[in-house]
Amino acid sequence: GQNIDQPTEMTATEGAIVQINCTYQTSGFNGLFWYQQHAGEAPTFLSYNVLDGLEEKGRFSSFLSRSKGYSYLLLKELQMKDSASYLCAVKDSNYQLIWGAGTKLIIKP
Amino acid sequence: ETGVTQTPRHLVMGMTNKKSLKCEQHLGHNAMYWYKQSAKKPLELMFVYSLEERVENNSVPSRFSPECPNSSHLFLHLHTLQPEDSALYLCASSQDATSGAGELFFGEGSRLTVL
Repeated sequence: GQNIDQPTEMTATEGAIVQINCTYQTSGFNGLFWYQQHAGEAPTFLSYNVLDGLEEKGRFSSFLSRSKGYSYLLLKELQMKDSASYLCAVKDSNYQLIWGAGTKLIIKP
Repeated sequence: ETGVTQTPRHLVMGMTNKKSLKCEQHLGHNAMYWYKQSAKKPLELMFVYSLEERVENNSVPSRFSPECPNSSHLFLHLHTLQPEDSALYLCASSQDATSGAGELFFGEGSRLTVL
């Protein structure tokens, strides 16, 4: 079966760096997405990786290793507003998105 | 208005009621989706429409009935639901249903409670 694994919850300190990991097993691969979802709000797109390597976008970076079925989302200079759930999703060979259950990130002052 | 809008934001219904969720996208996208989001579970894809034709139906019970009258509007008709159907129902759109890179744009969701 197809599966996406990510930690259920993480805690970090304001101003620090946190890395949220995602491992996947899917039938084919057409890209990996990260979304951010604040409590009670819609998920919003953060990043897309289809080739191996690091994609940097401001304070957020996303890394992909297709051979290892692994990605991480790196958040730098954490701010209180970064408290949210982070969803990892992979597009399989049929272009269907397979979702992880999300990682709830708690930022402490 | 911009983006994807959903109404109502909150809905409480009894098991014998009939209600509908509405979604409208103002992005000119060709694909629209219904997802179910339950606490601590992955998003569950329910239905996909591409150019107003249903292309995906992930074994969803018949008490959920989608309707896509045009590429900008999507409805989810609800009938004789069960308490376990209580969840957040998210509508989303994308440029098309088969692009690798195209991200989803989500609405704020409709929080459904079935009594």
